[in-house]
Amino acid sequence: AQTVTQSQPEMSVQEAETVTLSCTYDTSESDYYLFWYKQPPSRQMILVIRQEAYKQQNATENRFSVNFQKAAKSFSLKISDSQLGDAAMYFCAYRSAALTGGTSYGKLTFGQGTILTVHP
Amino acid sequence: SQTIHQWPATLVQPVGSPLSLECTVEGTSNPNLYWYRQAAGRGLQLLFYSVGIGQISSEVPQNLSASRPQDRQFILSSKKLLLSDSGFYLCAWNHQELFFGEGSRLTVL
Repeated sequence: AQTVTQSQPEMSVQEAETVTLSCTYDTSESDYYLFWYKQPPSRQMILVIRQEAYKQQNATENRFSVNFQKAAKSFSLKISDSQLGDAAMYFCAYRSAALTGGTSYGKLTFGQGTILTVHP
Repeated sequence: SQTIHQWPATLVQPVGSPLSLECTVEGTSNPNLYWYRQAAGRGLQLLFYSVGIGQISSEVPQNLSASRPQDRQFILSSKKLLLSDSGFYLCAWNHQELFFGEGSRLTVL
């Protein structure tokens, strides 16, 4: 079974600075997807960024980018120019590409989460 | 556009009492629906998923049950709550990616 580990329960950053959230995972599969989700205090969780394991290029989404190290099974999230609205709990998640059927999109393995605080 | 709603947002229940959490999706038909639980200090864990009316699959053995009485309605239930049922429950649906509701925080005392 796959596991996802976020070793940083809490992180903090000054507004406008850069912060990196760590995530490692364990899998025997070669094809899979990785995600970062954001859960702000209003509680609705939203997708921040996704990475396909077969793509070597790191995904980027505006101020959010990832550092995907497949051999090391590491998937960190970098937030540049941090804003107050970035304060949230961030979850790293894994999805197997081997699953078939429509429900495979919904079967994710999540890490424990990292609470990010942004200081003005 | 599609939206997903959960209620109640917060619930405090005594041990042994029943539970009913509701989730409704709007703007789509025949969605795949999911119940996840976030226990304190842990990541989200998939509890149930449903591909259609009356079709429920359980991912982990537990004290809870799920039902799908209508196409866009997903209900999480328990006949007798345990302390260990406390947590944050998230309903979700997928279209390529997973979209979550606002969540329901359950405290069992």
